[in-house]
Amino acid sequence: NAGVTQTPKFQVLKTGQSMTLQCAQDMNHNSMYWYRQDPGMGLRLIYYSASEGTTDKGEVPNGYNVSRLNKREFSLRLESAAPSQTSVYFCASNIQGRSSNEQYFGPGTRLTVT
Amino acid sequence: GNSVTQMEGPVTLSEEAFLTINCTYTATGYPSLFWYVQYPGEGLQLLLKATKADDKGSNKGFEATYRKETTSFHLEKGSVQVSDSAVYFCALDFSGGYQKVTFGTGTKLQVIP
Repeated sequence: NAGVTQTPKFQVLKTGQSMTLQCAQDMNHNSMYWYRQDPGMGLRLIYYSASEGTTDKGEVPNGYNVSRLNKREFSLRLESAAPSQTSVYFCASNIQGRSSNEQYFGPGTRLTVT
Repeated sequence: GNSVTQMEGPVTLSEEAFLTINCTYTATGYPSLFWYVQYPGEGLQLLLKATKADDKGSNKGFEATYRKETTSFHLEKGSVQVSDSAVYFCALDFSGGYQKVTFGTGTKLQVIP
C-alpha cells in the first residue's frame, strides 16, 4: 500500500515551458486535491476533484489545469510556466462525506521556474 | 470565510522543554480541527484531531483541546525531543459536502539537544 505517490520529485523549467505533475493514490479515495506550499503562506488549494469525473477551482487556479483521469489519478498541468509558479506542490486525497476526514498527502514535487 | 491563525515561528526549544503552539480559528458553525506535521522533505501527515467542542486529540505525546468559547486548538507537549523538529499546521474543515480544508501558515519547531 503506497498511499499517495507523486512524480517527479524535482523539476526545473524555463519560463514558458509546460509540464504535467502526476499523482496517484491506492486507498480507493474519491476526493483528490492539489496544493502549493510557499514560505509564510501555508498550503493553498489549486484545484480539487470531489469525485471521479468532476473538478473544481480552489483558491489559486490561474495558470493551472487538472485532469481526473480515473479514480486513482489526478494530474496537474502547467501550460506556460512562470517564475511565480516556483513552489512545492502537494497532492492529497481523502474520502468525501466522513465527519472527520483527514487528508493523506504525497511527498511533494519541488518545482523551480527560471 | 474560514480562517486559521497560528503563532509565528520559528520556535526553538531545548530537548525536554514544554511546547505550546497557539492556534485560533474563525468559522461559521462547528468545524473539525486538526494538527498536521511535516517533517523535512516530506508531505504533511495527520498528528491529531478533534471533531467537537471539549474533545481532546492526542498522539505521540502531543495533545490539543477543542475550545469553542475561545475558538482555539493549541498544541502542547510536555517534553519535546529532537525528533519532533518539524513544521506544524493547524487546520479546520466541515463534514458534509465536498471536503475543503483551511490550513494555517505553519509553525516551524526546532529542538536542540
